[in-house]
Amino acid sequence: NAGVMQNPRHLVRRRGQEARLRCSPMKGHSHVYWYRQLPEEGLKFMVYLQKENIIDESGMPKERFSAEFPKEGPSILRIQQVVRGDSAAYFCASSQDRSSYNSPLHFGNGTRLTVT
Amino acid sequence: GNSVTQMEGPVTLSEEAFLTINCTYTATGYPSLFWYVQYPGEGLQLLLKATKADDKGSNKGFEATYRKETTSFHLEKGSVQVSDSAVYFCALEGAGNMLTFGGGTRLMVKP
Repeated sequence: NAGVMQNPRHLVRRRGQEARLRCSPMKGHSHVYWYRQLPEEGLKFMVYLQKENIIDESGMPKERFSAEFPKEGPSILRIQQVVRGDSAAYFCASSQDRSSYNSPLHFGNGTRLTVT
Repeated sequence: GNSVTQMEGPVTLSEEAFLTINCTYTATGYPSLFWYVQYPGEGLQLLLKATKADDKGSNKGFEATYRKETTSFHLEKGSVQVSDSAVYFCALEGAGNMLTFGGGTRLMVKP
């Protein structure tokens, strides 16, 4: 049973380009969460999605960032017009149900974005 | 709002030493508490969890007890190994089942 798959593992973008990060949740999981980890810091919640719906985007910057989880295919985190401050590791996690205690999050290995 | 505070690292220990990583939290109500571990180049893995006061979570020789009176969930292990070298994150589950993470504590175990 494959775990949470994220790609690419490493992504380099120049300032002003777009970054597109993909996440395929574990089989049977319909809840997806995106977190950002800045260097030497903890994880910060960005957005929580279910199939075709954004449930909570309170941690997402209001501009340039968007996320989707279509009916078919992976969840996508899109960052437009990247800036150096966007350089970070972006982690996707999935769960079977919403409750984190009874349905723990399973994390992918992350996408490390570097903006030059 | 909810917050989690961990001791700053890195924590450097010799193999077989005793480990304590402190974690305290601020939250409304009685959240579930978690410890996650992140090995180099990987994502986070759930290490252990506890849901109510005095619960003890344990896994792979690690333990943590939910202390309501001190709002703490300190991670302990009696004898660390080199393979335990990783970053450890304390987290709580708040409203809407969202996880709030601490800043992480890097553990380095030397042979």
